[in-house]
Amino acid sequence: KNEVEQSPQNLTAQEGEFITINCSYSVGISALHWLQQHPGGGIVSLFMLSSGKKKHGRLIATINIQEKHSSLHITASHPRDSAVYICAVTSNFGNEKLTFGTGTRLTIIP
Amino acid sequence: DGGITQSPKYLFRKEGQNVTLSCEQNLNHDAMYWYRQDPGQGLRLIYYSQIVNDFQKGDIAEGYSVSREKKESFPLTVTSAQKNPTAFYLCASSNQRELNEQYFGPGTRLTVT
Repeated sequence: KNEVEQSPQNLTAQEGEFITINCSYSVGISALHWLQQHPGGGIVSLFMLSSGKKKHGRLIATINIQEKHSSLHITASHPRDSAVYICAVTSNFGNEKLTFGTGTRLTIIP
Repeated sequence: DGGITQSPKYLFRKEGQNVTLSCEQNLNHDAMYWYRQDPGQGLRLIYYSQIVNDFQKGDIAEGYSVSREKKESFPLTVTSAQKNPTAFYLCASSNQRELNEQYFGPGTRLTVT
């Protein structure tokens, strides 16, 4: 079992829909990251959080430490949101290395 | 503009040849990382360096080598010993004080035939 599990693996939605991507992890963490990877391959960091909720524009990330679960929400989705969204965690074992989920491929249809 | 550059974007090599992937950053970050990405798998750590002239193996270091002679540069050599070198390679860096937040380069797609 992977230490970081994402669901769904693939998600297709109509423009304007509310999107939720889930991430569950099995280790103690010091931080959780949401990353966005566009078709060209480059990765952009969207959020880094260790508790509660963060919002940036139409993107919202939440984390529940007790349940070891995080969600990434996109409101009023747009075709330009189409990308692979990756969840990653930094364990609290002191080595600061990231462990990555396999990603969720999101496609927004106009 | 500050950032991380990787070159080239696409690289093709024949089996049995060593190849070096470039990674340069002008963010003044202490730590640098190399990851490999394969279809259907999460990124996996190859090597990382937290300071000049020092580096550590990641989870899949076999068949790879690195050097860190300058703070700005962390080249990765894919040797002929790497059994499945075809993959997408990503370089990242982070501030020593904020190791949690890593900044990624655009990646190099290596194809070995």
